[in-house]
Amino acid sequence: ETGVTQTPRHLVMGMTNKKSLKCEQHLGHNAMYWYKQSAKKPLELMFVYNFKEQTENNSVPSRFSPECPNSSHLFLHLHTLQPEDSALYLCASSQVAGSEGNTIYFGEGSWLTVV
Amino acid sequence: AQTVTQSQPEMSVQEAETVTLSCTYDTSENNYYLFWYKQPPSRQMILVIRQEAYKQQNATENRFSVNFQKAAKSFSLKISDSQLGDTAMYFCAFMKHVSGSARQLTFGSGTQLTVLP
Repeated sequence: ETGVTQTPRHLVMGMTNKKSLKCEQHLGHNAMYWYKQSAKKPLELMFVYNFKEQTENNSVPSRFSPECPNSSHLFLHLHTLQPEDSALYLCASSQVAGSEGNTIYFGEGSWLTVV
Repeated sequence: AQTVTQSQPEMSVQEAETVTLSCTYDTSENNYYLFWYKQPPSRQMILVIRQEAYKQQNATENRFSVNFQKAAKSFSLKISDSQLGDTAMYFCAFMKHVSGSARQLTFGSGTQLTVLP
């Protein structure tokens, strides 16, 4: 049981497809994050949202488009991806104040394979 | 910028034994937090333990404890009475203290721990 839920857990898409990853947090947090985990690489922070506002975009290619309609939901829209984009995409959330804000909680990840 | 280094890509330990995973970090910050996360084959990133840099006392969580050496910028994880379910990739992570904004974690490259029956 996790307070951060990601769907789908597995996704296979062609390079010309458009798909989306969804994340929902049930922890009452107000910051949400997308991380990318590729084989043999440290986790890479992609996007940060603070109270629905994007505060960080770590030079992510425009074929990845995030959306945060409210503090509980985060999407990652995918279009014209490349095979090297195949990876585990992890969503996370946290508070932004108080001692509880000093811990980030992760979802189970969405495995993406681009063919 | 912060960096986190885990110099042991793989480790193994016999069930019921004790193992220590190493982590060093580099930062100019004085107020920060350090974490150990584990990632089992299910791939969910699970928080194991957290340490506040301003606290001298080492954090403990049941069988998990840390040895935090602030001056040396070292943060090792000790797992006592290792269990088969402890088999996972373990990540050391750094987060500087901020107030009122989203947090950012910097991760090490991970240590794959295998507990042997």
